[in-house]
Amino acid sequence: GEDVEQSLFLSVREGDSSVINCTYTDSSSTYLYWYKQEPGAGLQLLTYIFSNMDMKQDQRLTVLLNKKDKHLSLRIADTQTGDSAIYFCAERSGGSYIPTFGRGTSLIVHP
Amino acid sequence: KAGVTQTPRYLIKTRGQQVTLSCSPISGHRSVSWYQQTPGQGLQFLFEYFSETQRNKGNFPGRFSGRQFSNSRSEMNVSTLELGDSALYLCASSPPGAAEAFFGQGTRLTVV
Repeated sequence: GEDVEQSLFLSVREGDSSVINCTYTDSSSTYLYWYKQEPGAGLQLLTYIFSNMDMKQDQRLTVLLNKKDKHLSLRIADTQTGDSAIYFCAERSGGSYIPTFGRGTSLIVHP
Repeated sequence: KAGVTQTPRYLIKTRGQQVTLSCSPISGHRSVSWYQQTPGQGLQFLFEYFSETQRNKGNFPGRFSGRQFSNSRSEMNVSTLELGDSALYLCASSPPGAAEAFFGQGTRLTVV
């Protein structure tokens, strides 16, 4: 079945850039998402990208998609302590209503 | 615009009991999905409803069931609770034809 892989942890210094990586296996993926989950909360949709796009930028967030390698990344510029959370990558094919989620990357931002 | 609302936020139940969780989607959203989140298994899809019909179902036992009402509000029910059912249950709603899904804050279920 489809699979989405992420590294479990990332630690960065406040003010640096963070890059969270994700790989997926479904070649028919149409939509790719990044969600953020803070402790005790639900998932917050940060951004998503269509598979026919290479890049999407939204303020401090930049999403890069390499469709050939099935690799998605989320770059957070000027990372702040408030960015500390778990970040989930997800993909969905056009024929499905249900996204497949990765296990999440725990981002730790230290002073 | 109000977000996805899940009630209750926290619940403690005893093994063998049953529980009902509620989800009110964003106004205008007709698709409601349910997920179970545990540290060991991550986010697992339970089921998805659209216009009162179950459109997709995940790989969970029949003890897990759901329904959707004409106003798009959804409930999920877990019968004969087991310790392993302790989890954060998340609901998400989507507008018609859109790519996005918006999640509620979740219901934290603890089975003792």
